[in-house]
Amino acid sequence: DVKVTQSSRYLVKRTGEKVFLECVQDMDHENMFWYRQDPGLGLRLIYFSYDVKMKEKGDIPEGYSVSREKKERFSLILESASTNQTSMYLCASRNRAGNTEAFFGQGTRLTVV
Amino acid sequence: SQKIEQNSEALNIQEGKTATLTCNYTNYSPAYLQWYRQDPGRGPVFLLLIRENEKEKRKERLKVTFDTTLKQSLFHITASQPADSATYLCAPNNYGQNFVFGPGTRLSVLP
Repeated sequence: DVKVTQSSRYLVKRTGEKVFLECVQDMDHENMFWYRQDPGLGLRLIYFSYDVKMKEKGDIPEGYSVSREKKERFSLILESASTNQTSMYLCASRNRAGNTEAFFGQGTRLTVV
Repeated sequence: SQKIEQNSEALNIQEGKTATLTCNYTNYSPAYLQWYRQDPGRGPVFLLLIRENEKEKRKERLKVTFDTTLKQSLFHITASQPADSATYLCAPNNYGQNFVFGPGTRLSVLP
């Protein structure tokens, strides 16, 4: 059974903290993605990676960075958390073919207080 | 810049009827289009993929059309059931690494 696992289901952090969201996939996929989802705004792409140590900005990269040191792991970093980064964060992966389905993690609901 | 719209934020229909959801895109020509289902508090799950050279795809009670002239995809659920209630997302994309979604339509099937 294929799986994308996000490290936390719920997270509460304080303003100014450095926050790490971890995502691990077991399907040997090349491409991995981080999205945030807010009511009325849908899924918005933050960053994606198409190979180890490679990263590309999505539509809303400001305030975020990413790390992909191993193929199976893609980390999203909030350098200094702010209240407007309170959101549901979703990680996804898919293979290099590009038109194949994406597999999503269960999501991390982050609250910044 | 590319834009993706889905016809309405929410759609209510009666059980047994056909639900039709619309996905429109502008300023680009996707090579393929996918539809996903998302239940509350969960990640989206893949349902169907249709390529630009395909007009229609079916899977059980689901049917998807892809009109590259109108820049539109229609997603139909026939004989809808309350268990079909969810948010449905379209994802028109090109081959490559970027992968974007429409805002979604929340479907409620009323018993």
